Amino acid sequence: SQQGEEDPQALSIQEGENATMNCSYKTSINNLQWYRQNSGRGLVHLILIRSNEREKHSGRLRVTLDTSKKSSSLLITASRAADTASYFCATDTSNTGKLIFGQGTTLQVKP
Amino acid sequence: DAGVIQSPRHEVTEMGQEVTLRCKPISGHNSLFWYRQTMMRGLELLIYFNNNVPIDDSGMPEDRFSAKMPNASFSTLKIQPSEPRDSAVYFCASSAQGSYSNQPQHFGDGTRLSIL
Repeated sequence: SQQGEEDPQALSIQEGENATMNCSYKTSINNLQWYRQNSGRGLVHLILIRSNEREKHSGRLRVTLDTSKKSSSLLITASRAADTASYFCATDTSNTGKLIFGQGTTLQVKP
Repeated sequence: DAGVIQSPRHEVTEMGQEVTLRCKPISGHNSLFWYRQTMMRGLELLIYFNNNVPIDDSGMPEDRFSAKMPNASFSTLKIQPSEPRDSAVYFCASSAQGSYSNQPQHFGDGTRLSIL
């Protein structure tokens, strides 16, 4: 069964708006990571948040982690057309480097 | 710096043929991962290596799939014989795993495999 599940599956917004994607997982984690995938390309790492962290920022990205609810959110502020991509959360449960990816959220940012 | 390099980028072959996918990880990375991505099943981990040793191959679908890592700079994923349901995008990723923390994975651009 899938460890990470993203919500919503698809999101369409106007340039300049904020985009929020959520990820829920089932078992305890060491860390949770967010990746972006542009069409026809490989995944690109965005941000890693450890289980003892609650919030992390990187540029226009803000990630929160609530281990009591087993959920995480990714906020992209002031979105741009170039942010159009699929976004995946991935959980590390074993500290071995093995990640389990969710199904992803497809984000479309309209210019 | 060069990223993870996969070849070929596209492969179209007939059912029953042997398919070999290749991956060159980032220099210095000690972990390598093979994934398969489809619309139906999403991104699935097939196998991963640490220091060239296969650690977990529980995701390999069946005996038709095999993977090797003869040295730190090269890995192959082989499908023999191939079947139409193997059609997917296959990704290779590498990372530098430390003792106490996990590092992000760096992905290649994948091999789009079509089995006719």
